[in-house]
Amino acid sequence: EAGVAQSPRYKIIEKRQSVAFWCNPISGHATLYWYQQILGQGPKLLIQFQNNGVVDDSQLPKDRFSAERLKGVDSTLKIQPAKLEDSAVYLCASSYDPGRPPLHFGNGTRLTVT
Amino acid sequence: SQQGEEDPQALSIQEGENATMNCSYKTSINNLQWYRQNSGRGLVHLILIRSNEREKHSGRLRVTLDTSKKSSSLLITASRAADTASYFCATDYTGTASKLTFGTGTRLQVTL
Repeated sequence: EAGVAQSPRYKIIEKRQSVAFWCNPISGHATLYWYQQILGQGPKLLIQFQNNGVVDDSQLPKDRFSAERLKGVDSTLKIQPAKLEDSAVYLCASSYDPGRPPLHFGNGTRLTVT
Repeated sequence: SQQGEEDPQALSIQEGENATMNCSYKTSINNLQWYRQNSGRGLVHLILIRSNEREKHSGRLRVTLDTSKKSSSLLITASRAADTASYFCATDYTGTASKLTFGTGTRLQVTL
């Protein structure tokens, strides 16, 4: 079984620029999550999708962050404009459905905002 | 805010010793999960314990859950250098659409 794929692996941008991350979940997984992990902290949920629909985006800074999951498969997370405090690892995870753990994580995208 | 808090924040032991890390949480849960994260990688699921269970084993891992104290512990027996990683507890608390909330993590260093 192929794992969760994420790209790019690393990204360095200047503040006020925009950036996008891509995630391809495990085939057949209906639930997709984006987490933000700041250095030295645990992952914080940004947004949770169930198929095409958003289940929870209560911690997504909607003035600058957006995410979509077209056709219930791949997902992109965008930041525009980026701030210094957005420097973090962005992790994508997937599961069969919310009630069936565990979560399977990708290796993340490390974003540095200068 | 983070639901779980791990203790200790960092732990250094020698190969062959046991490692114990603790997790405390704040509200009622459906289950509690432990994940491992190697440096520069994503998280990997280790073990899940449901709210009606008190202890669970998987290989060299032993997890306990005390819902009255809202706490859990992860014991790794006979540790190996390959166990060096950060360990996170994650709580699936009741009243949500199975939203996992991760703790702050314990960084484990196992030396030869």
